[in-house]
Amino acid sequence: GENVGLHLPTLSVQEGDNSIINCAYSNSASDYFIWYKQESGKGPQFIIDIRSNMDKRQGQRVTVLLNKTVKHLSLQIAATQPGDSAVYFCAENIRGNMLTFGGGTRLMVKP
Amino acid sequence: NAGVTQTPKFQVLKTGQSMTLQCAQDMNHEYMSWYRQDPGMGLRLIHYSVGAGITDQGEVPNGYNVSRSTTEDFPLRLLSAAPSQTSVYFCASSYTSIHPYGYTFGSGTRLTVV
Repeated sequence: GENVGLHLPTLSVQEGDNSIINCAYSNSASDYFIWYKQESGKGPQFIIDIRSNMDKRQGQRVTVLLNKTVKHLSLQIAATQPGDSAVYFCAENIRGNMLTFGGGTRLMVKP
Repeated sequence: NAGVTQTPKFQVLKTGQSMTLQCAQDMNHEYMSWYRQDPGMGLRLIHYSVGAGITDQGEVPNGYNVSRSTTEDFPLRLLSAAPSQTSVYFCASSYTSIHPYGYTFGSGTRLTVV
C-alpha cells in the first residue's frame, strides 16, 4: 500500500553520503529487533536484524547498532543510493509472538 | 513461489458492510499475522496465528475476526465496516513467530470505508 507519508519524520541525504536512521524502542525486555524498508506501494521488506546480546551487526552496506542503555537502535546505510529512498521502520520483539513497529522514517536521496 | 498473496489490492466499502480480506502463503509458514498501517502510526498488529486452528488477538483486534483452517490461508473479516477501519492492511508470515529473517509481507490491501 501507499506509504503513511503525511506525518513521517524525513531524512534527506545526498547520493553517495552515509545515512543514519534512528529509532527509540519502548521495552527494555525486548530481545530482538528488525529493520524494515517499505517502498511506495509495497509491503515492508526485511533489511537486517539484531538480537539483544549484540550491540552491532553488519550487512551489505547496512549496519545496525543497538544501545540497550538508552533503548536506542540505529540503521546506517553506506553510500546511499537513489534506490534506498523509502520509509524505514524498526520493530522490536516484546513478547514471543509479536513484533511492535515504530512509526517510520522517510529517507529521501537527492541525486 | 508466490510468497504472501493478498486480495483484493483495493476495496471501497460502505459503513456497515462486511467483507473478507484474503491472505495466502505458499511457503509452509506456521506463523501468520495481520497488521494495519495508518498515517504516522507504523504497523499495528490486529490478529495472529501460530498454526492451523490457533489464533490470538494482537494490539487492535476490535471489529475484526480471523480463522486459520489451513496452514496456507489466514483471512481477515470485517464484520461491520466503520470509517475508522480505513487503512492499509498487510498480511505477514514466517516459519516461527520470530524467524531469523523476519516476516514476509504481502503487498497490502488499501481499504476505504465511506
